[in-house]
Amino acid sequence: GAVVSQHPSRVICKSGTSVKIECRSLDFQATTMFWYRQFPKQSLMLMATSNEGSKATYEQGVEKDKFLINHASLTLSTLTVTSAHPEDSSFYICSARGASLQETQYFGPGTRLLVL
Amino acid sequence: GENVEQHPSTLSVQEGDSAVIKCTYSDSASNYFPWYKQELGKGPQLIIDIRSNVGEKKDQRIAVTLNKTAKHFSLHITETQPEDSAVYFCAASLTGNQFYFGTGTSLTVIP
Repeated sequence: GAVVSQHPSRVICKSGTSVKIECRSLDFQATTMFWYRQFPKQSLMLMATSNEGSKATYEQGVEKDKFLINHASLTLSTLTVTSAHPEDSSFYICSARGASLQETQYFGPGTRLLVL
Repeated sequence: GENVEQHPSTLSVQEGDSAVIKCTYSDSASNYFPWYKQELGKGPQLIIDIRSNVGEKKDQRIAVTLNKTAKHFSLHITETQPEDSAVYFCAASLTGNQFYFGTGTSLTVIP
């Protein structure tokens, strides 16, 4: 149990376009979802926390107008990178936590974004 | 805020030997400590976790110990196998509200 999926697994886009990444909890209801960014050989950097039906809480330094997060249901959260630029290229990972799962966060497989 | 340090950054062991990774945390209020394994190009996978009311937890070849007084916790992998090669992250949290991750340990098990 506690499976989280992400789509797409990798995406290449042109500079200036927007990209949407989906995160789904497949077998539990995710009351909270987290979005992370990871650079090569580095740890995970929390970008934002979203609770179902509420606005996301962004970490300091993360532009909320650039990284739009929607958590419209208990199984789906989306991250939209607006007007992407090469410096946005990274590995984006979501995680989910459900009320029945206590504190544990379960991670998705990640999305590799390359902006040309 | 919480600060988690993880050592070593890289670790190489012979197949069959044990591997130990250590983490320290700064906030004595932290009460949940998960360990994740991340293979190249994939998301982190939870391998074991421990809560502050427990000193040790074991799951087959994997064990975690927690010393609340010293504010450190360790991951122990026994009888290592090549498929254990990955990057391991520790984390500390207060009731799961936010995870503070260590910097990761790249483990290589040499056949």
